[in-house]
Amino acid sequence: GAVVSQHPSRVICKSGTSVKIECRSLDFQATTMFWYRQFPKQSLMLMATSNEGSKATYEQGVEKDKFLINHASLTLSTLTVTSAHPEDSSFYICSASDSGTGRETQYFGPGTRLLVL
Amino acid sequence: SQKIEQNSEALNIQEGKTATLTCNYTNYSPAYLQWYRQDPGRGPVFLLLIRENEKEKRKERLKVTFDTTLKQSLFHITASQPADSATYLCALDITGGGNKLTFGTGTQLKVEL
Repeated sequence: GAVVSQHPSRVICKSGTSVKIECRSLDFQATTMFWYRQFPKQSLMLMATSNEGSKATYEQGVEKDKFLINHASLTLSTLTVTSAHPEDSSFYICSASDSGTGRETQYFGPGTRLLVL
Repeated sequence: SQKIEQNSEALNIQEGKTATLTCNYTNYSPAYLQWYRQDPGRGPVFLLLIRENEKEKRKERLKVTFDTTLKQSLFHITASQPADSATYLCALDITGGGNKLTFGTGTQLKVEL
């Protein structure tokens, strides 16, 4: 149980375009999902907390107008990187907590590798 | 702000030995601390959670200790195998119940035959 999927797993786009990444909890409901970014040889950095039915909470230094988050249902959150630039190239990972069993453990998706040319 | 330190140097050990990884944190002690495993190009996988009132926790070949006085957690893998080779991350909830995790930079473990 507690499987989180992400789509796509890898995406290459041109500078200036927008990219949407989906995060789904497959066998549980997630009131809260989290979006992280990880650069090579670095740790995961929390970008934002996605709350079902309400606005996302962004970490300091993360542009909310650039990284649009939508959490329309208890099993789906999307991250849209708008007007992507090469410096946005990174590994984007989402996680979710099982609303039913407790919020302490986060289950992570497999990640999405974004390369902006 | 809370700072989490893990040994950035890779740890190379021989198969069958016990691997010990360290996680140190500053400032206040969290209500719990978690360890995750991350393989290259993959998302982290949850391994163990230990609460502040627990000194030690075990799961199969894994053992975690939590010393709130030293502000340190140790992660042990006994009878290590090449399949244990990965990066191991410790993570703390910095909000005290909000499940907002801060991760250490991770320690890369390589188990050699």
